[in-house]
Amino acid sequence: DGGITQSPKYLFRKEGQNVTLSCEQNLNHDAMYWYRQDPGQGLRLIYYSQIVNDFQKGDIAEGYSVSREKKESFPLTVTSAQKNPTAFYLCASHSGIYNEQFFGPGTRLTVL
Amino acid sequence: SQQGEEDPQALSIQEGENATMNCSYKTSINNLQWYRQNSGRGLVHLILIRSNEREKHSGRLRVTLDTSKKSSSLLITASRAADTASYFCATDSRAGNMLTFGGGTRLMVKP
Repeated sequence: DGGITQSPKYLFRKEGQNVTLSCEQNLNHDAMYWYRQDPGQGLRLIYYSQIVNDFQKGDIAEGYSVSREKKESFPLTVTSAQKNPTAFYLCASHSGIYNEQFFGPGTRLTVL
Repeated sequence: SQQGEEDPQALSIQEGENATMNCSYKTSINNLQWYRQNSGRGLVHLILIRSNEREKHSGRLRVTLDTSKKSSSLLITASRAADTASYFCATDSRAGNMLTFGGGTRLMVKP
């Protein structure tokens, strides 16, 4: 089955720790995105990558970092510099043709 | 940045009724898309309408776009309890094929 997977589904972090959220796709899409969603809110763009080994900051990149070493993978690290990291994180990709984005199931991060 | 604003924020209807959600945006767009999100899940793409289109249909969904008013509406006809979800509009107006999402409309369809 083609699609996007995210792991873990739930993640708990102690204050001061860095954590990495996984995002993998087998859709052969070039572009991948990370969004943050707070309760009852829309999505805000953290980082995006249009091609391997290249990525750009989105609207709320502070306290986050990414890498894009492989086409299939776009991991997001939430660093200790992110002051309020508790949120639902969504990864997406698109083929670049119609800009319809395909989303993973999300990771819910909670800071203890 | 929040490009799209949705109205209403929440909507509760009976099964069989129609549901209408509206989206307003601020800058010119290439296209506008609607997505659905079930609670605690990822988003699912519903429909895309290009800036030179005025209306589009897909099954029980009807989307309109008025670029002069910078607004769009999503109509779900003959709603079902399974339509209960949050619905988001997203505009494609920035370089890099980035989407900007609205705050969403939470739809509840009562059986």
